Amino acid sequence: QVQVVQSGAEVRRPGASVKISCQTAGYTFTNYPIHWVRQAPGQRLEWLGWIITANGDTKYSQKFQDRISITSDTSTTTAFMELRSLRFEDTAIYYCVRPDGTMIVVPKEVHFQHWGQGTLVTVSS
Amino acid sequence: QPVLTQPPSASGTPGQRVTISCSGSRSNIGSNTVSWYRQLPGTAPEVLIHTNNQRPSGVPGRFSGSKSGTSASLAISGLQSEDEADYYCATWDDSLNGFWVFGAGTKLTVL
Repeated sequence: QVQVVQSGAEVRRPGASVKISCQTAGYTFTNYPIHWVRQAPGQRLEWLGWIITANGDTKYSQKFQDRISITSDTSTTTAFMELRSLRFEDTAIYYCVRPDGTMIVVPKEVHFQHWGQGTLVTVSS
Repeated sequence: QPVLTQPPSASGTPGQRVTISCSGSRSNIGSNTVSWYRQLPGTAPEVLIHTNNQRPSGVPGRFSGSKSGTSASLAISGLQSEDEADYYCATWDDSLNGFWVFGAGTKLTVL
């Protein structure tokens, strides 16, 4: 079955960077993109961006475009999300998600089927 | 930034039918399909409905979705105590170069 396992909790100072990993198994990695979604305490879910694992193409939310990088490693079937210039308001649980859908490489034509367990990132001085 | 509006709370007694609404605009719900997610405390969300009204395998038939214009709704019939959770709607928004947007969530209490 599909497995999506994320790296552990992180604590960073404001201005630092964090890189979270998302290891997958149970399916052909390059057949599906990976999305990243976060949830700040008491806040709604927020989409960060996605990567087409077959070719490395990415699309980011305009809000994070200048300080986020999403990459993937096909040899280890792992996706990564790096967020730079961290602020207190970046404190959140970060989820990677493998979607399903009829047109899997079109970001709007999917739904979020397989979620990682979440990674808590705390930004604190 | 465009948002999806949900009621902050809803409630019902076991066996009742409850409906949760999600209101958007032409650039999101009005142009794209809607999915619904349930989140139990301390866990990741799970999909209940996709493409407005489709249930993934394993999701009970008690859950149904619908969409009309710029609004969508999730209905839960035969309410059970384990349905107590947060529920989120989601859709793609075509503005600002495109992005996924989620509702603020509705906390469902089973009385």
